[in-house]
Amino acid sequence: QKEVEQNSGPLSVPEGAIASLNCTYSDRVSQSFFWYRQYSGKSPELIMSIYSNGDKEDGRFTAQLNKASQYVSLLIRDSQPSDSATYLCAVNGNTGFQKLVFGTGTRLLVSP
Amino acid sequence: SQTIHQWPATLVQPVGSPLSLECTVEGTSNPNLYWYRQAAGRGLQLLFYSVGIGQISSEVPQNLSASRPQDRQFILSSKKLLLSDSGFYLCAWDRGGYGYTFGSGTRLTVV
Repeated sequence: QKEVEQNSGPLSVPEGAIASLNCTYSDRVSQSFFWYRQYSGKSPELIMSIYSNGDKEDGRFTAQLNKASQYVSLLIRDSQPSDSATYLCAVNGNTGFQKLVFGTGTRLLVSP
Repeated sequence: SQTIHQWPATLVQPVGSPLSLECTVEGTSNPNLYWYRQAAGRGLQLLFYSVGIGQISSEVPQNLSASRPQDRQFILSSKKLLLSDSGFYLCAWDRGGYGYTFGSGTRLTVV
């Protein structure tokens, strides 16, 4: 059973701090990794994708991937109250087409 | 540009009633489409996926069914709803290796 594990949180950080969200996955052959943001009552929104080891930066967001450790993380710099949401990690199951496996999400709370 | 539409946004249905949720995609052809359910406080559960017209794969046995009558149309149905069918139903379009785009979702409450 392919699994994606995330700490459910909540992760509480003050405004302006760095929020670090972590995710581990069980399928060693996974190739594509995604972070989604889901506000309460809304559908998930893709915010970052990463496909190779290392860091990928996009504005205040940095995704980090370590395939040897089967670990992917999302850093949010200068956290804002508007970043308060649930962050879902998703990993492709490498079944020949893109069927993603989602973690249960980490709830982030950014306090003013 | 590609867009995905899902309706209705909210639905309250009595136990035993039928269900039909519709999802359509614009701006692309032959997309891979998915139905997910998210129960309150839970993760995303994949219900069905389709790689083409008439092709449906079911991930979990349940009270629901899916159909794909047209290339860009994906329908989730039930003949008789159960209380346990309540949840947030999401349709997603596969962007070919670049992740999914989700529809706005349908919040279903079975009473």
